[in-house]
Amino acid sequence: NAGVTQTPKFRILKIGQSMTLQCTQDMNHNYMYWYRQDPGMGLKLIYYSVGAGITDKGEVPNGYNVSRSTTEDFPLRLELAAPSQTSVYFCASSPWQTKTYEQYFGPGTRLTVT
Amino acid sequence: KQEVTQIPAALSVPEGENLVLNCSFTDSAIYNLQWFRQDPGKGLTSLLLIQSSQREQTSGRLNASLDKSSGRSTLYIAASQPGDSATYLCAVRPSSVTSGTYKYIFGTGTRLKVLA
Repeated sequence: NAGVTQTPKFRILKIGQSMTLQCTQDMNHNYMYWYRQDPGMGLKLIYYSVGAGITDKGEVPNGYNVSRSTTEDFPLRLELAAPSQTSVYFCASSPWQTKTYEQYFGPGTRLTVT
Repeated sequence: KQEVTQIPAALSVPEGENLVLNCSFTDSAIYNLQWFRQDPGKGLTSLLLIQSSQREQTSGRLNASLDKSSGRSTLYIAASQPGDSATYLCAVRPSSVTSGTYKYIFGTGTRLKVLA
């Protein structure tokens, strides 16, 4: 059981470039989340999904897009990267079956936009 | 709107000391509360999850308590060790639709350093 995996681990983007951050979980969790963490700050929710085909905005969705075509995958797309998107991005998942909704996190992607 | 606060932001203690980390939330309508540990440059590791109907949860040297009416949770670490040095975050899952029942709201964390 790999849990939640994220790729890449690190990435440097130039302003205006685009990229997709990949997130996969093998625990058959319905809920998946994307967060960003800025230095000294807590995690801010970007987007979340309660199941395949269903996504919704979190606190800071501007500049990002998501899709959820399968239960396992929840990619995050950055269009027209800006320096303000320099951050560490975490993907997480939760099961609904146990009714605890405990969150399991991936190792993160450290993104720098210059 | 639910807000989560963790004070202090940083804490240094000598090895062996028992310590308490605090987490406060503004809306008592919560489904559960989860405590995490984050090592530098790493992801979050779940430590304890307390459901709204529970008062406390224990795992090894860790004990987390929940008082919904006062909007507080504490994480108690017994006999602290240098290996406990990390940032500890708490996160609340709201139970009211207006706050968003599918989401967790995080505090900014307490950075703990245990000195050998």
